[in-house]
Amino acid sequence: DIQMTQSPSSLSASVGDRVTITCRASQGIRNDLDWYQQKPGKAPKRLIYAASSLQSGVPSRFSGSGSGTEFTLTISSLQPEDFATYYCLQHDIYRWTFGQGTKVEIK
Amino acid sequence: QITLKESGPTLVKPTQTLTLTCTISGFSLSTDGVGVAWIRQPPGKALEWLAVIYWNDDKRYGPSLKSRLTISKDTSKNQVVLTMTNMDPVDTGTYYCALDSPVDDFWGQGTLVTVSS
Repeated sequence: DIQMTQSPSSLSASVGDRVTITCRASQGIRNDLDWYQQKPGKAPKRLIYAASSLQSGVPSRFSGSGSGTEFTLTISSLQPEDFATYYCLQHDIYRWTFGQGTKVEIK
Repeated sequence: QITLKESGPTLVKPTQTLTLTCTISGFSLSTDGVGVAWIRQPPGKALEWLAVIYWNDDKRYGPSLKSRLTISKDTSKNQVVLTMTNMDPVDTGTYYCALDSPVDDFWGQGTLVTVSS
């Protein structure tokens, strides 16, 4: 089964900072990777699908890149509403695996 | 408008079987390509994928809980049902159902299940 290693597990950043989160897959998954944002008490919300496609309605400061085994979520200029936990999700061959999450906190 | 809503018991005892239902509106479970997944989240911990079922009745399970899970669908009621046997306090958490779609993003609000005697 495919394992996803997400890093860092947490980070502190200021409004306006550029933030990068990485997920590595234990084997190649083409571009079958999504990124989610979750706020406390809420269901996850998808930001990016197919590694680099922006979900409808999501601000353009969010972007995704990568293919194969290494993927990146970038927030170009962190906004107050972006403080949350972020997860990657691989869904290769009808099996899903989430990363362990990255909590983005206010510095 | 597509919505998914989880329902089931909020409290189960250890060793009991949990049955959760995901009721879907706005799309049909018999539509080609449609899949519905179950995901759970223990308090303060990460998301964990449990299972997915597709329009053609193809079913897949997460490796760690595969022996305890059964996923099924009732197309006439547009519902997906997940059963989990031999519940333990470590299974406490919020259980979500979600649409498996390459473009759309729809999740239920989640239902909190507590396992305690």
